[in-house]
Amino acid sequence: GENVEQHPSTLSVQEGDSAVIKCTYSDSASNYFPWYKQELGKRPQLIIDIRSNVGEKKDQRIAVTLNKTAKHFSLHITETQPEDSAVYFCAASGDTGGFKTIFGAGTRLFVKA
Amino acid sequence: NAGVTQTPKFQVLKTGQSMTLQCAQDMNHEYMSWYRQDPGMGLRLIHYSVGAGITDQGEVPNGYNVSRSTTEDFPLRLLSAAPSQTSVYFCASSYLEVKGRSPLHFGNGTRLTVT
Repeated sequence: GENVEQHPSTLSVQEGDSAVIKCTYSDSASNYFPWYKQELGKRPQLIIDIRSNVGEKKDQRIAVTLNKTAKHFSLHITETQPEDSAVYFCAASGDTGGFKTIFGAGTRLFVKA
Repeated sequence: NAGVTQTPKFQVLKTGQSMTLQCAQDMNHEYMSWYRQDPGMGLRLIHYSVGAGITDQGEVPNGYNVSRSTTEDFPLRLLSAAPSQTSVYFCASSYLEVKGRSPLHFGNGTRLTVT
């Protein structure tokens, strides 16, 4: 079955710096890769997603890149702000394997003011 | 729309007790799923369903049962609670699009403690 690995587990950056979180997946049939942000005590919420027919997608300060050959995808946050501090999860899913979504273990991002 | 509604928000059980976590969505989503969240282990899939009458196991199904009699509801049953089932449980749903998936919508979670 699908396995998603996420690194690093903890990331601390200075306000204004960039943050990069990386994920790898195992199932080459996966074709949808969302990223979720979870603030303390809250539910995960989608921040950006990418499908396998696209290599990069950007939404203001957030971008995601996908390398299907290497089975890697990454989240890039530029000009980080204290409110970006949260846990970020990558995930992978596909049309095969029952459409299930498998998550990485999460990255706790600290943005220091 | 209420979105995804989970009840209860908090629950304390004794070892061996059984209970049902409720999940309902009003977005006509075909796909529904249950995850448990433990510190440092992310969100692990317990069971999922792609439509009424169809369920399947996820990564950590042991000790849990599900059923999907309607599109709206997807209850999770703990048959005989164990301390290892102490966790935060999230229900999530989404559409199943022709060309892949759509984002998951999460409920607010149920914090379960088994003593």
